[in-house]
Amino acid sequence: DTGVSQDPRHKITKRGQNVTFRCDPISEHNRLYWYRQTLGQGPEFLTYFQNEAQLEKSRLLSDRFSAERPKGSFSTLEIQRTEQGDSAMYLCASSPGSRETQYFGPGTRLLVL
Amino acid sequence: GESVGLHLPTLSVQEGDNSIINCAYSNSASDYFIWYKQESGKGPQFIIDIRSNMDKRQGQRVTVLLNKTVKHLSLQIAATQPGDSAVYFCAEMRNNNDMRFGAGTRLTVKP
Repeated sequence: DTGVSQDPRHKITKRGQNVTFRCDPISEHNRLYWYRQTLGQGPEFLTYFQNEAQLEKSRLLSDRFSAERPKGSFSTLEIQRTEQGDSAMYLCASSPGSRETQYFGPGTRLLVL
Repeated sequence: GESVGLHLPTLSVQEGDNSIINCAYSNSASDYFIWYKQESGKGPQFIIDIRSNMDKRQGQRVTVLLNKTVKHLSLQIAATQPGDSAVYFCAEMRNNNDMRFGAGTRLTVKP
């Protein structure tokens, strides 16, 4: 399968714990995006990478959130000191380049108790 | 059947009918538009896109229409099938690569 993959698909954690999600983009896609989606809403942009460089971060991305793409392939999104408001679906997408179609992974559903 | 996107988030149609899902976008500088389909528990799936130098684009059973004058986008699905039941999002891309999604329209196909 050559689509975007994400791991884990589901995560339940207690408030205050740290969590890390992984995204593997479509091979050879230079751009990688992270979004957050809450129930009944459309995805909200968080950040994106061009290869290993993080080029833009939304104001939604608080200091507790950090994303990396160290080798320009897979990416990780870490949330420190999780809060109940962090409960959402975290989506990853990739595209071949700038201003091209973004293809989404299945998402990681996070529940913070 | 038709919807007005954010103002009528649910659209119900009979199997075999044509569906029209509407979307009003916000930024006149947006020049790339995409329709996604999202089934429950899954990520958004690309359906069709259109750039601002076009006003119509057709795919398999789907057509996207773009009216830049009134900043309106529509998705037409021909001969709607039960497998088309999902939430449909329009997304606009601005010149900073930031893609903004609408709240979506839930399409329900009745057998």
